[in-house]
Amino acid sequence: ETGVTQTPRHLVMGMTNKKSLKCEQHLGHNAMYWYKQSAKKPLELMFVYSLEERVENNSVPSRFSPECPNSSHLFLHLHTLQPEDSALYLCASSQTGLVGTDTQYFGPGTRLTVL
Amino acid sequence: DQQVKQNSPSLSVQEGRISILNCDYTNSMFDYFLWYKKYPAEGPTFLISISSIKDKNEDGRFTVFLNKSAKHLSLHIVPSQPGDSAVYFCAANSGGSNYKLTFGKGTLLTVNP
Repeated sequence: ETGVTQTPRHLVMGMTNKKSLKCEQHLGHNAMYWYKQSAKKPLELMFVYSLEERVENNSVPSRFSPECPNSSHLFLHLHTLQPEDSALYLCASSQTGLVGTDTQYFGPGTRLTVL
Repeated sequence: DQQVKQNSPSLSVQEGRISILNCDYTNSMFDYFLWYKKYPAEGPTFLISISSIKDKNEDGRFTVFLNKSAKHLSLHIVPSQPGDSAVYFCAANSGGSNYKLTFGKGTLLTVNP
C-alpha cells in the first residue's frame, strides 16, 4: 500500500450504532487530519494530530471521537450520529502539520450514510 | 461566511484549449494558496501552490496567477486534456505555522475530446 488509505470506503449506520473509520498513511509523515465534506459544502477541517498529539479540534461535536495511536494510524470513532452527519470523511497527512506550506496528502475518503 | 469562493460550479472546454478556473478570497491574512484536483472515488491531490510574494507560479501545463489587490487567483491549464476532467479545489491559509486550510466548494472541469 502506498500513500494514504482509508477503510471502509462506504459505511451505512443507524443513529444508535457505534462504528469507527480507519486511516493509515505510508508516507512517513508526522501529522494527520480528519476533514468532512458535506454535499455542496467545502471541505471542513475536523481534527489535526501532530506527533500523535491532538493540536486542533475544530468545534466538532463529541459524538465524533478521534484517536491517533501512532503517527501512521488515525481513527474516527462514531457514536449516536445524526442524519446530517452523512458526508464524505477524508483523512490527510503531511510532513509536520505545523507549517502552513506543508502539502497535505489525502486518502480516498469514507462515504458515510446515517439512517 | 465563505472565505474562499469558487463561483463557477462547472466549466466545460474543448481539448487543446485553455481552461481557466477562478477563485476569490476575502481574508486578507491568507498568504499561501493551493489548488487540488479530485477525481471521483479518489481523495484530492495537490496540484500547484503559490505564495503571496509571487504573482505567478508555473508547473508544466499548469499556471497559477495571484492578484493580491483583487484577492483573486486563477488556475490556467494549457493545453487542456480529457484526463484533466475533475473537480478543482482552491484552498488558502495564512502560512507560517497556520496549517489550517480553508477550501472553496470546487469547480467541475469537463474537457471534451
